[in-house]
Amino acid sequence: TQLLEQSPQFLSIQEGENLTVYCNSSSVFSSLQWYRQEPGEGPVLLVTVVTGGEVKKLKRLTFQFGDARKDSSLHITAAQPGDTGLYLCAGDDWNNAGNMLTFGGGTRLMVKP
Amino acid sequence: EPEVTQTPSHQVTQMGQEVILRCVPISNHLYFYWYRQILGQKVEFLVSFYNNEISEKSEIFDDQFSVERPDGSNFTLKIRSTKLEDSAMYFCAGKGETSGGEQFFGPGTRLTVL
Repeated sequence: TQLLEQSPQFLSIQEGENLTVYCNSSSVFSSLQWYRQEPGEGPVLLVTVVTGGEVKKLKRLTFQFGDARKDSSLHITAAQPGDTGLYLCAGDDWNNAGNMLTFGGGTRLMVKP
Repeated sequence: EPEVTQTPSHQVTQMGQEVILRCVPISNHLYFYWYRQILGQKVEFLVSFYNNEISEKSEIFDDQFSVERPDGSNFTLKIRSTKLEDSAMYFCAGKGETSGGEQFFGPGTRLTVL
């Protein structure tokens, strides 16, 4: 069974601060997805990283996939209140016939104005 | 931009009743999934479906659960005899023929079993 551990679980910061969320596993993943989920809604895909060491940027968000494809990080620069939400990482293993996603427990971010 | 839709948004049922949750995936997707999320817990995989058959299922997906893609557009999850512990958000997701694991999720159906 593959597991993904996210840290921190909760993060409360002031507007303008930087933050990093981590997603770690002892298993290798074929790809790693980052989602954002609002209360009562489905996860919305932010990015997919596939290659070990890959870095992707989405405006103020920077995503990195570890060289060994076991971990990933999400860095937000100059956080804004609109960044408040639940951030989820989810790993995919092509060895599974169904390409199911294994989700981390999430990081709940609150950005105070 | 195309999106996954799910109906109903909220379903309340009595224990022991059958429920059918419906999803319309994005039209060019090939792989389809159901996940569930019990309040305050992780999103959990239930089942994946490809080429009109189940490709993988989790331990949660027991004999009380079934899936169908009856008409090439709808994708349904049936729970034959609901239990209290089936109360959760149920998400449908789909994936195209891509190299990554990117799956696109619907807004979910909140199932409440009384």
